[in-house]
Amino acid sequence: GQQLNQSPQSMFIQEGEDVSMNCTSSSIFNTWLWYKQEPGEGPVLLIALYKAGELTSNGRLTAQFGITRKDSFLNISASIPSDVGIYFCAGLPYPYSGGGADGLTFGKGTHLIIQP
Amino acid sequence: DAGVTQSPTHLIKTRGQQVTLRCSPKSGHDTVSWYQQALGQGPQFIFQYYEEEERQRGNFPDRFSGHQFPNYSSELNVNALLLGDSALYLCASSPLGRSRDTDTQYFGPGTRLTVL
Repeated sequence: GQQLNQSPQSMFIQEGEDVSMNCTSSSIFNTWLWYKQEPGEGPVLLIALYKAGELTSNGRLTAQFGITRKDSFLNISASIPSDVGIYFCAGLPYPYSGGGADGLTFGKGTHLIIQP
Repeated sequence: DAGVTQSPTHLIKTRGQQVTLRCSPKSGHDTVSWYQQALGQGPQFIFQYYEEEERQRGNFPDRFSGHQFPNYSSELNVNALLLGDSALYLCASSPLGRSRDTDTQYFGPGTRLTVL
């Protein structure tokens, strides 16, 4: 089955720094989603991308759907302490039946740790 | 607007027992997916329910079964529990309709299952 390679596995940064993480696959994905998960909670949707080349922002977060449809990145600008958590990329593979009819494939997550 | 809810929050069972987990989707959503998240890993897709039928299934044995009710809520049943079934079980729901938004899945807080 499809696999998503997410990197880096963990990041130790200073408050105020910008953060960049990415996700790659050997196969095409139709939709890319970025989630944040905190301990003991379910993943919270940050950004959804539906079209190759699409660039979408949500506050200090920006994500892009790669032109090849095999990758996506997430940037966080001016990190703050509450950005701490695990960030997951997830995708819907192509071909798919549409209408939410498929299971998401997840990366292994990027653990973001912010040093004050 | 209530989000995805799951019950119970925590559960402890012994090997060989059976367990039922419950999920209520977000208002306006008709599709429910279930995921298993082992410690330190990304969620793994178990199956998806739409119109009270299993529409797609991931790589999980038949010990994992489910049901969807007319009000769109869903149950996940696991029989003959193994130690390896210990995990966070997540439910996700997707909106009605067949627009691109139906690809977006919203997660509940999860049920932490411990098998002793």
